[in-house]
Amino acid sequence: QSVLTQPPSASGTPGQRVTISCSGRTSNIGSNTVNWYTHLPGTAPKLLIYSNDQRPSGVPDRFSGSKSGTSASLAIRGLQSEDEGDYYCATWDDSLNAEVFGGGTRLTVL
Amino acid sequence: EVQLLESGGGLAQPGGSLRLSCAASGFTFRGYAMSWVRQVLGKGLEWVSGISGSGGGTYYADSVKGRFTISRDNSKNTVSLQMNILRVEDTALYFCAKTRDSNHPGDAFDVWGHGTVVTVSS
Repeated sequence: QSVLTQPPSASGTPGQRVTISCSGRTSNIGSNTVNWYTHLPGTAPKLLIYSNDQRPSGVPDRFSGSKSGTSASLAIRGLQSEDEGDYYCATWDDSLNAEVFGGGTRLTVL
Repeated sequence: EVQLLESGGGLAQPGGSLRLSCAASGFTFRGYAMSWVRQVLGKGLEWVSGISGSGGGTYYADSVKGRFTISRDNSKNTVSLQMNILRVEDTALYFCAKTRDSNHPGDAFDVWGHGTVVTVSS
């Protein structure tokens, strides 16, 4: 069971907007910034959002992140077929003194 | 180009040992914390261990504490993970990852290797 809670799946049709939630506690999301990754099995994970809402160079502005209290969310607007894959939130946990990941959300573009 | 290349994976017996290595290039290695992250087949990402840029700070997931040891050689631009007392549940694809802009492993991981497979089985 993961320290951060994400829905196991999400879906949408091309062009739609989807959001993926990530719930934690005071010791992790409540105290530190949240990062989001996308991952296709067998490939290297890719950083999508860092410091709650910042996009690395090369990540389209269709992707956005936000954080409030002990929860964070990733929004993808203008959904495209190539957005299919697994999405993970992550942050540092001050109580565990360790990085923690959410369980991952598999996004399907219908 | 910034690159990370993992090596050292393979087959080990339960109770055995393996040593993973990650060779870094394209950036000032000593300036960045590094981590190991694994993925069990069909499961999610799990952070395993991290080390500060100087090597003075080391951090571990509870699942590997006391069994795994992370280290780095800033003269050779490498980070290693010594894995002892291996368990079947340590079977996974192990990734090496670089922090984006920090000496602490809690920062975002902006560069990842392609991983090395560890299989623990009798």
